[in-house]
Amino acid sequence: QSVLTQPPSVSAAPGQKVTISCSVSSSNIGSHYVSWYQLLPGTAPRLLIYDNNKRHSGIPDRFSGSKSGTSATLGITGLQTGDEADYYCGTWDSSLNVWVFGGGTKLTVL
Amino acid sequence: QVQLVQSGAAVKEPGASVKVSCKASGYTFTGYYVQWVRQVPGQGLEWMGWIDPNTGGTRYAQKFQGRVTMTGDTAINTVYMDLSRLTSDDTAIYYCARDWYTGSSDIFDYWGQGILVTVSS
Repeated sequence: QSVLTQPPSVSAAPGQKVTISCSVSSSNIGSHYVSWYQLLPGTAPRLLIYDNNKRHSGIPDRFSGSKSGTSATLGITGLQTGDEADYYCGTWDSSLNVWVFGGGTKLTVL
Repeated sequence: QVQLVQSGAAVKEPGASVKVSCKASGYTFTGYYVQWVRQVPGQGLEWMGWIDPNTGGTRYAQKFQGRVTMTGDTAINTVYMDLSRLTSDDTAIYYCARDWYTGSSDIFDYWGQGILVTVSS
């Protein structure tokens, strides 16, 4: 059972903005850093955001990350059909000594 | 550019073992840990463990202790993940990923394309 909780799905129209939340249930994780990953079927997963709000190399500035307390958020502006994918947040849980991921959020660009 | 290329896709019978390889290029192989993550169909990502290709040191998730072995071959820049006593619950896509320490945290910055392992009789 994941200690990171994401909404199962979100949707928005092309050109619009969407946010995906990642709620952390453990106080130990609240002080740690969250990263975000994009999974497209048949392709290698891609790191988008690390250390809560830093964009990985080559990631457009349409993608942003933030964290407040025990909740992290991925934002995507100017939605494109190519953004349709599953998005996962993840972090190291120092109490369980495991890497944990959220359950994933499926983004649909209508 | 950094690349991780995986091989070893397979259909295995329950009780068998599978070995997935992950060949790295575009960076100093011994300078970064390699992580293994799997995704069971319809479910989320699950961390399995990591290997330090430089020392051979490993750390496994408790769930896989006793069944998983991660090894590396520095001569060919390749790491391996061996999972034994397979059951249908192990049917999944298995990913390797390079671990990068950002200065604040460890993250998975580059991933392999994933390998589907199907366990079926």
